[in-house]
Amino acid sequence: AQTVTQSQPEMSVQEAETVTLSCTYDTSESNYYLFWYKQPPSRQMILVIRQEAYKQQNATENRFSVNFQKAAKSFSLKISDSQLGDTAMYFCAFVLTQGGSEKLVFGKGTKLTVNP
Amino acid sequence: DVKVTQSSRYLVKRTGEKVFLECVQDMDHENMFWYRQDPGLGLRLIYFSYDVKMKEKGDIPEGYSVSREKKERFSLILESASTNQTSMYLCASSGQGAIGANVLTFGAGSRLTVL
Repeated sequence: AQTVTQSQPEMSVQEAETVTLSCTYDTSESNYYLFWYKQPPSRQMILVIRQEAYKQQNATENRFSVNFQKAAKSFSLKISDSQLGDTAMYFCAFVLTQGGSEKLVFGKGTKLTVNP
Repeated sequence: DVKVTQSSRYLVKRTGEKVFLECVQDMDHENMFWYRQDPGLGLRLIYFSYDVKMKEKGDIPEGYSVSREKKERFSLILESASTNQTSMYLCASSGQGAIGANVLTFGAGSRLTVL
């Protein structure tokens, strides 16, 4: 089975500190895409960062970066200099190819609270 | 700014009612998706569509159907609503081609309560 696992249901961090959200996945594919999505309270889901598996360099978007360990099938998200606006649900997602169709499979999410 | 618009943000329906959740995108996207979001379960795919009049089942299609008569509109239908369908429903769309290469854009969600 190809799945996505987020082992931390909830996390909290102090403003300006760094926090890392973990994600592991399982796939038999050699090339694929991984994503982190953010869902602020009562607001829509938006993309935080995307990683292509064939690229060895970890993706970075401003304060957000990933630690992609392909052999370990690990895809963690690091948020540096945390801000109050980072409070949200964070979902790790993976593109699953099945029966000729592609679909995005999500983990169960991590609720992150940034405290002042 | 590109948008995915879900017609109803909050709905309250009674058991047995037929429910329509509408989703419209203005990005000329080929791919459209309906997800269900529940606490502790994350997002689960109900149905998706790669083209007009085309649909494919996702992971939890039971109790749901969909309609895509026009490219910009993807409707989710609950033929006979039940209390276990109380949930947040998210619509998303992406451009032509591989999903990984085309980021999903989500709507704001429709929170359905079935009494």
